[in-house]
Order: sequence, then C-alpha cells, then structure tokens
Amino acid sequence: EDQVTQSPEALRLQEGESSSLNCSYTVSGLRGLFWYRQDPGKGPEFLFTLYSAGEEKEKERLKATLTKKESFLHITAPKPEDSATYLCAVQARTGNQFYFGTGTSLTVIP
Amino acid sequence: EAQVTQNPRYLITVTGKKLTVTCSQNMNHEYMSWYRQDPGLGLRQIYYSMNVEVTDKGDVPEGYKVSRKEKRNFPLILESPSPNQTSLYFCASSLISESTDTQYFGPGTRLTVL
Repeated sequence: EDQVTQSPEALRLQEGESSSLNCSYTVSGLRGLFWYRQDPGKGPEFLFTLYSAGEEKEKERLKATLTKKESFLHITAPKPEDSATYLCAVQARTGNQFYFGTGTSLTVIP
Repeated sequence: EAQVTQNPRYLITVTGKKLTVTCSQNMNHEYMSWYRQDPGLGLRQIYYSMNVEVTDKGDVPEGYKVSRKEKRNFPLILESPSPNQTSLYFCASSLISESTDTQYFGPGTRLTVL
C-alpha cells in the first residue's frame, strides 16, 4: 500500500536556527515526490518536485533532497515568514493517484 | 493569470440537501482532482480525472460524484450530504507528462453539513 509519513508533526525554531523535515514513503515505483507549503486557510502552494534518488532542488532558504525511502526538506536560517505547514506527497509510477502525508507545522519565532 | 478557482468558498448546509462545488482551471490541464482535508488525516484524494469524460475513484469516493464534460471544469457533487462530509475541500489540476505531474491547487471550499 502506498503511504507517506511526515515527521515531526510540529516544529518550533528560533529565527536563524536551521533544521530538517522528514518525509518517508512507501510506493510501488516512485514517479514523483512533491513538497508543498500551506498557509492557514489556503490551498497548498507548490515548492519542489523530485524524480529520482540523489536529486536535490533549492529555492531561497529551502533545499529538498531525495533517497530511495525518504525525502528531507532542509530549512537554512529560517525567518518568521517561513512559518507554515509543509506537505509531502508521492505519485506512484503505476497509477494516477497522489498520496499526501499529514504535514509538518513549522513555527519560526523571531 | 493562471489559476484554479472554486465556488463557493464557504458553504453551510443541512443533511440531505444536494449541493455542487464548482472547480475551474484556465491552464488547459488534462488532470483534475478533488481532495478533502481533515485534521490529523491530511489531504485525501476523492476523485480524479485524466481528461474529458474520464474519471476515477481516489481513496475516499463514497458519498461524492464528479463529472468532466469540459476540460476546464470539474464539479464535485454531494447528492445527499451528511455531517461526516464536513471538511475543507480542494480542487487541483496539472498537465500530464511522461515524467510527473505537478499539481496546482485552488483556494479551498469550507463545507459544513448540519
């Protein structure tokens, strides 16, 4: 069964304190792994797509990496405006469905 | 502006009263999908459509219907809503490519069924 697990559920960081969010997945052949940011009451906003193990992508203070079993979203020197829920999702090669994790709620304290 | 729109944004209704939530995209995307988001359960896929007149069940299709008569529109129909369908609903769309499909989400519809 395709499954996505994110940890931690919640994370509080001081401004400037770097950390990582984890997304572990079980899928029958990975077609793509996605990271989204979601602000309260809004739709998820696309951040990254990763296709294969070893791939990395960066955007401002965020860097996403992928292995065969998990992905990490590294946040370097976060700012309060980085506070949001970060969602991970996978799409299997054999189907057209998407499977989301329950997200990590990030709070960055000034 | 490229976007996915949903209407209404907020809806309070009563058990058994049929309702439709509309979804429209202006990006000529083939793939469209509906999700519900509940605390502790994350986003769960209800139905998706690969193209006009092609729809498939996601993980939680019970109590919902969809149709795809036009490429840009993908309405979600609740024939007889029940309180357990109270949730935040999102529509999403994407291109279909050989590699993968990045989805773009609408702003959400908050539904309360009394």
